Amino acid sequence: QVQLEQSGAEVKKPGASVKVSCKASGYTFTDYYMHWVRQAPGQGLEWMGRINPNSGDTHYAQKFQGRVTMTRDTSISTAYMELSRLKSDDTAVYYCAKEGLQLGQYYFDDWGQGTLVTVSS
Amino acid sequence: DIQMTQSPSSLSAFVGDRVTITCRASQSISDYLNWYQQKPGKAPKLLIYAASILQSGVPSRFSGSGSGTDFTLTVSSLQPEDFATYYCQQSYNIPRTFGQGTKVEIK
Repeated sequence: QVQLEQSGAEVKKPGASVKVSCKASGYTFTDYYMHWVRQAPGQGLEWMGRINPNSGDTHYAQKFQGRVTMTRDTSISTAYMELSRLKSDDTAVYYCAKEGLQLGQYYFDDWGQGTLVTVSS
Repeated sequence: DIQMTQSPSSLSAFVGDRVTITCRASQSISDYLNWYQQKPGKAPKLLIYAASILQSGVPSRFSGSGSGTDFTLTVSSLQPEDFATYYCQQSYNIPRTFGQGTKVEIK
């Protein structure tokens, strides 16, 4: 079955960077887009961007342009999301989500378990 | 960006009640609309995609309808395990966007 295993919780100081990993198994990693979604404490879901694991092409939400970098290592079926110049309001759970495709429709059918990133001085 | 607006933001219901949540898109998105359920401390779970197609393994008491700008998620008979927060999400274009969520609580 599909599994997305994310790296562990992080505590960072303001201004630092964080890199979260998402190791995929149970499917062909390069066949499906991988997205990153975050959720601040008590808040809703916020889309950050996506990567095409086959080509490495990325699309980022305008809010994160210049601060986020999404990469992948196809040899180990792992996607990465790096967020720089962290601020306290970047404190959130960060999820990777595989985007399935069927009948021309896209949807997030598998999610990682989430990685809590805490930004605090 | 396409704005997704859910209503209500929260609701209280009894076990066995029929519950309906609505989602409105700021522009037509055809049927490119998905619904997710999220329980505290857990990742979201896909319930319905393409506005009305039930994801494999999801109980048939969940159903979705709509097209264009207006969509609904219905739970025909609320069960104890259905108390959660529900999100709609459009997959019509990038950036993907979510509704703000609807929290379903026990009355």
